[in-house]
Amino acid sequence: SQTIHQWPATLVQPVGSPLSLECTVEGTSNPNLYWYRQAAGRGLQLLFYSVGIGQISSEVPQNLSASRPQDRQFILSSKKLLLSDSGFYLCACMRANTGELFFGEGSRLTVL
Amino acid sequence: AQSVTQLGSHVSVSEGALVLLRCNYSSSVPPYLFWYVQYPNQGLQLLLKYTSAATLVKGINGFEAEFKKSETSFHLTKPSAHMSDAAEYFCAVSARTGFQKLVFGTGTRLLVSP
Repeated sequence: SQTIHQWPATLVQPVGSPLSLECTVEGTSNPNLYWYRQAAGRGLQLLFYSVGIGQISSEVPQNLSASRPQDRQFILSSKKLLLSDSGFYLCACMRANTGELFFGEGSRLTVL
Repeated sequence: AQSVTQLGSHVSVSEGALVLLRCNYSSSVPPYLFWYVQYPNQGLQLLLKYTSAATLVKGINGFEAEFKKSETSFHLTKPSAHMSDAAEYFCAVSARTGFQKLVFGTGTRLLVSP
């Protein structure tokens, strides 16, 4: 079965600092990978998805970027954080041909 | 395009009472529908999913949901609430064909009182 690891689990960063959140997947190959952000009272917003190495699609314009340097690695980055980037970031992997997402445990980012 | 509306950001029930969480969807193509549960500071866990087989879907922890195409609904129910059911619940929709992206509702927080 698939396992998704995210780190760091929590992060407190000043405005203007860079960001790197990492997600790795075990137990599958060539997965579709997703980054969601969860803000209080706003549900889950899809930020990026990837169907393969180096292939990134952005859902909303924003201060963040994503990269997929390896098949089972998905990274969320920012060069300069904004207060509005605070939230709970979830990495997910889609189980092939089911439409079902498996989620990691999330990374909570607080920007001060 | 798909969208999901969850009615009620908070639902309160007593332990042992019926749980009903409402979800209405919009989809231009035949959908897959999902319910996920999230406990504090954790990722989401799949409760159940509808993928075009039986319209009444049974999931984990005694939950079930019924797909009603005529009402575009996929409400989540449980006959008897338990304290451990207190969590946030998300309904989600995706297309059955093509590249699949899940679109989530804004969530409903279930509060269970003794």
